[in-house]
Amino acid sequence: GQNIDQPTEMTATEGAIVQINCTYQTSGFNGLFWYQQHAGEAPTFLSYNVLDGLEEKGRFSSFLSRSKGYSYLLLKELQMKDSASYLCAVGGGATNKLIFGTGTLLAVQP
Amino acid sequence: NAGVTQTPKFRILKIGQSMTLQCTQDMNHNYMYWYRQDPGMGLKLIYYSVGAGITDKGEVPNGYNVSRSTTEDFPLRLELAAPSQTSVYFCASSQGQGFNEQFFGPGTRLTVL
Repeated sequence: GQNIDQPTEMTATEGAIVQINCTYQTSGFNGLFWYQQHAGEAPTFLSYNVLDGLEEKGRFSSFLSRSKGYSYLLLKELQMKDSASYLCAVGGGATNKLIFGTGTLLAVQP
Repeated sequence: NAGVTQTPKFRILKIGQSMTLQCTQDMNHNYMYWYRQDPGMGLKLIYYSVGAGITDKGEVPNGYNVSRSTTEDFPLRLELAAPSQTSVYFCASSQGQGFNEQFFGPGTRLTVL
């Protein structure tokens, strides 16, 4: 079966750093994806990890440990516009299908 | 490029009615997907297609049908609408197999009363 867990909600302060964790148990694994979704809008792609380690893209970084079934998304220098849901998803491969977690709603406060 | 477009944006259906949600992409992507998202939940895959004439079921296909006669279009059909199908529906596309970003349409908000 497939099981992806993320915290439901998080709160952080503008300018700070926040880490959003994701653990997964899946029957097959190709890659770990992170998407951002603002309220009332479509998800947009942030990053993916295929191999263990850290991938950095500007203010956003994503980490993967395949042996532990664990990933995190790190957001630095938080801005008010980062208030959104962050969706962890497992997938890729031959069909590029994605299985999504329920998402973490991040509120950035002044 | 318009990317992925979906129509309609909003729709209210009565129980037992049917409708088709339209999805079109202009990026020449082979792979297309339909998801539903219930309040406070993640996305659930309904159906997907890896090319014209090829479709397959996702996690929650019951009550839905799809077709893929062209690369650009991937309509989702609801037959005999039920209140449990009240949701936001997203269509997405990607280049192909591997680790490719999925591009999402703006969504269709459907209410079944």
